[in-house]
Amino acid sequence: EAQVTQNPRYLITVTGKKLTVTCSQNMNHEYMSWYRQDPGLGLRQIYYSMNVEVTDKGDVPEGYKVSRKEKRNFPLILESPSPNQTSLYFCASSLFGLDTDTQYFGPGTRLTVL
Amino acid sequence: DAKTTQPTSMDCAEGRAANLPCNHSTISGNEYVYWYRQIHSQGPQYIIHGLKNNETNEMASLIITEDRKSSTLILPHATLRDTAVYYCIVRVAGPMNQFYFGTGTSLTVIP
Repeated sequence: EAQVTQNPRYLITVTGKKLTVTCSQNMNHEYMSWYRQDPGLGLRQIYYSMNVEVTDKGDVPEGYKVSRKEKRNFPLILESPSPNQTSLYFCASSLFGLDTDTQYFGPGTRLTVL
Repeated sequence: DAKTTQPTSMDCAEGRAANLPCNHSTISGNEYVYWYRQIHSQGPQYIIHGLKNNETNEMASLIITEDRKSSTLILPHATLRDTAVYYCIVRVAGPMNQFYFGTGTSLTVIP
């Protein structure tokens, strides 16, 4: 089944404790992206990647890192999480990252930073 | 990218057509209109997109005005499972950088 998976689905952590949210897709997509969703602010893009070893900043990249060492995986790294990074996070992928491509979204990761 | 304006919320009776409007008065000639929806904290789901012509697929129809300054998403026979937040996005064709969904329209289908 074609899908985007994220782990963990729920995470409660404390300020400053490094964490990684994994994202994996099995559709051989070139493009992958991370979003965060907050009440009243909609979905905002954090980082995106057009291909292996190619990443770039989205709308709200501060406090996050990403890597794209393999086509299928695009982990989101919070080196020193802070409470303002409490949010619902979505990973997405599409074939080439063009506007005419359909984006496929993962199920979401709800992160709470205390 | 052009900005969009959508109503914050709408209701629709089950079985009736749901018509969701979107204004994009500053849209450029090479910008597509996209619609996604999000069902309660799940990942957004692609619905339909178009450039100039009206489009229809198994989920919905997209009506774009001749001047392209507004569009309407039509769900022909709304069901309770169509209750969701619907996002209208206009984008230049190209890499999906700084992809911004906005806050969308919360559609409630009423039994």
